Order: sequence, then C-alpha cells, then structure tokens
Amino acid sequence: SQTIHQWPATLVQPVGSPLSLECTVEGTSNPNLYWYRQAAGRGLQLLFYSVGIGQISSEVPQNLSASRPQDRQFILSSKKLLLSDSGFYLCAWHLGQGDGEQYFGPGTRLTVT
Amino acid sequence: DQQVKQNSPSLSVQEGRISILNCDYTNSMFDYFLWYKKYPAEGPTFLISISSIKDKNEDGRFTVFLNKSAKHLSLHIVPSQPGDSAVYFCAASWSGTYKYIFGTGTRLKVLA
Repeated sequence: SQTIHQWPATLVQPVGSPLSLECTVEGTSNPNLYWYRQAAGRGLQLLFYSVGIGQISSEVPQNLSASRPQDRQFILSSKKLLLSDSGFYLCAWHLGQGDGEQYFGPGTRLTVT
Repeated sequence: DQQVKQNSPSLSVQEGRISILNCDYTNSMFDYFLWYKKYPAEGPTFLISISSIKDKNEDGRFTVFLNKSAKHLSLHIVPSQPGDSAVYFCAASWSGTYKYIFGTGTRLKVLA
C-alpha cells in the first residue's frame, strides 16, 4: 500500500531563517506531487506541483521554492522566511490527470516568529 | 480570484439529522469534483467524487449532487454522526490538468 511521509511535524523558525520541508511517498511510481498551504480563511492553496523528476510548476509567486530530486521525494524550501509564510503545509500525491483523488500527508505546522 | 467557493464557514447539525454542505464554482472547464474531510493537524482524507457526466454519486452515508447549470455541488451526510465533525473541503479539476482547486472549507459540528 502507498504511504506518504512529511517531516518535521512542527517547526518554529525566526524571520529570515531558511526552510526545508521534506515529503516522500512509498509504494507507487512516478506520482504527481503537490505542496499546499492552509492558512486561516484561505482554504488549501496550491503552491507547487511536479509531474516528474526535476519538473516543477509554481502556482504562487513568493519566496518559496520546490525541488524534486528523486521520483518519490518532494522538497519545499525558502532562503529567508517571512511572517506570512506561517501555516500548515501539506504534501500530496496523485496518479493520472484530471481525475482521481489526491492522497495527503500528515502536514507540517510552520510558525515563523 | 476564488474559483471554488464555500460560502458557509461553519455549520452545526444535530446527531442523526442531515448535514448539507454547499460549494459553488465559477470555471466552466471544471469537470471533476471531490469532497475531502479534514481533522485538525491532519491531512485531508478523500470522501467522495463526481464527474460532470453525472448529477449524483452515493457512497454509504455520503451523497454528492452536481448541478452544472447552477455551477453548484453539495454534499449530503445522512445520518450525521459526532465523528463527522471536521472541516470539509470541496475541490475541482478538469481534463488535461494536474491541478486541483480547493474551496476555503466548511467546519461541520455534529451535536450529540
């Protein structure tokens, strides 16, 4: 069966510090991978998605970046965090295009102080 | 530009009664819709989906209705149970894309 891991579960970082969140998927090959952020009153905001190694599509211009160094690994990064980067970050995977459900990881609660 | 809207941020329902959660969308290209349930500090879990070729899909206590002319879908939960208390998100996608657009969520509270 497929599983998705995210770490860390919680993170408190000062403004201006770097960020690295990691997501890995087990039990499937060539998944589409996604990063979402849940902020108050904003629902689930799609940040990045990737349909293959090294392929990254950015949805929201901001100081975050994403990378996919391996088929089942997706990394969210920032060089300098802003207060507005606080939120609940979710990784998800999906197979196919245009239909089917996404499967979400447990999430990372990021607080920027 | 919110293409998927859930206009009710919260809803309270008595246990055993019907819960109706609503979702409106603006993009006519959307042809696949999903509902997710989310508990605090956890990732969303998939509940039910519907393709635009249907107007109803049922799975146990959960039924999703799609009204394409009104660009509206709804999730019915019958009977509602206290364990259904969570935030519910609707999402939409379309053929040829890898993207899913989510609404802002509705917090459902089922009162015992």
